[in-house]
Amino acid sequence: QKEVEQDPGPLSVPEGAIVSLNCTYSNSAFQYFMWYRQYSRKGPELLMYTYSSGNKEDGRFTAQVDKSSKYISLFIRDSQPSDSATYLCAKRASGGYNKLIFGAGTRLAVHP
Amino acid sequence: SQTIHQWPATLVQPVGSPLSLECTVEGTSNPNLYWYRQAAGRGLQLLFYSVGIGQISSEVPQNLSASRPQDRQFILSSKKLLLSDSGFYLCAWSVAGIGLNSPLHFGNGTRLTVT
Repeated sequence: QKEVEQDPGPLSVPEGAIVSLNCTYSNSAFQYFMWYRQYSRKGPELLMYTYSSGNKEDGRFTAQVDKSSKYISLFIRDSQPSDSATYLCAKRASGGYNKLIFGAGTRLAVHP
Repeated sequence: SQTIHQWPATLVQPVGSPLSLECTVEGTSNPNLYWYRQAAGRGLQLLFYSVGIGQISSEVPQNLSASRPQDRQFILSSKKLLLSDSGFYLCAWSVAGIGLNSPLHFGNGTRLTVT
């Protein structure tokens, strides 16, 4: 079992839809999570990070953590074509030094 | 503000040739530095990380090596490339500190194709 699992998609939604992106993790240690957005042929861009159970909002984005279920989600409200990208979830790895373990990424397409 | 530069953006190399990818960070001191590789349709795999000049830790045994000759410079190398070395190589930095939960910030990567 991979330490961080993510549905690769692809996910296709109409503009304005609410998007839900999900990951599960297996190791309860170092529960510090991040979401990255990666456009084609570019490096990942940090969207949000959180370590608390519950929701964290930033504009149209909400990160949700359920530690009892080992489940993390990213919600995108009022999705736009510019949101079309691959979304990567990440969890801090053991051993310190801010190392991260990444999910495989979910490819999202928002069509006008 | 901090910026991270990687070059080249694209590289096509024959099997058996050497490799040198360079990454530099501006606007911060003594960062942690990382090399990740991303295969097509897969997540990012940590290859090396460094917490200081000359200090390199390898995560995965492979045909590659890394060096950190200066505080904000990180180099990924190979003496002889293999076909399996093809991929998208990403450099990243974070604030230093063993206990800190600092996010990683990535460069725009080098797409390496070994032919």
